[in-house]
Amino acid sequence: GENVEQHPSTLSVQEGDSAVIKCTYSDSASNYFPWYKQELGKRPQLIIDIRSNVGEKKDQRIAVTLNKTAKHFSLHITETQPEDSAVYFCAARDNNDMRFGAGTRLTVKP
Amino acid sequence: DGGITQSPKYLFRKEGQNVTLSCEQNLNHDAMYWYRQDPGQGLRLIYYSQIVNDFQKGDIAEGYSVSREKKESFPLTVTSAQKNPTAFYLCASSSGTAKTPLHFGNGTRLTVT
Repeated sequence: GENVEQHPSTLSVQEGDSAVIKCTYSDSASNYFPWYKQELGKRPQLIIDIRSNVGEKKDQRIAVTLNKTAKHFSLHITETQPEDSAVYFCAARDNNDMRFGAGTRLTVKP
Repeated sequence: DGGITQSPKYLFRKEGQNVTLSCEQNLNHDAMYWYRQDPGQGLRLIYYSQIVNDFQKGDIAEGYSVSREKKESFPLTVTSAQKNPTAFYLCASSSGTAKTPLHFGNGTRLTVT
């Protein structure tokens, strides 16, 4: 089955700096790669996603890149704000199910 | 997401008892999923169902059972065979199985003592 690895596990940045989280996946059949943000005690919320026929996607301060050949994808957050502090999960989906990375705890210091 | 309801929010049980977690969705989604989340860890797939009356094991199905008798409902039973059942359980649904996001419920925190 699919195996998703995510790095780093924790990330601390100063407000206004950029944050980058990286994931790799193992199953070449995976064709959809969402990113979720989870605040403490709450459900994961979709923040951005990318499909396998696209190399990059941007939505305001967040962007995701996908390298299908290398089987890795990354989340980029620019101009970070304290409210960006949360746990971020990457995921990979084939036509059946979705597997998640272990998560990155992002802390943005004011 | 108001379309997926998990109940109760907190659940306490004694060791050795089976317990059923409820998950209902009114999004008309075909696929439904159960994940387990432990502190500091990611989401691990327990079971998923793509259509009514059909479901598949995920990575950690041992000690759990599910049913999918109705499109809207996908209850999860944590049996006494599950060795470490205390965790945060998340139910999710999606409109399809290809290239679509999961929508999560608010979760049930189960504590077994």
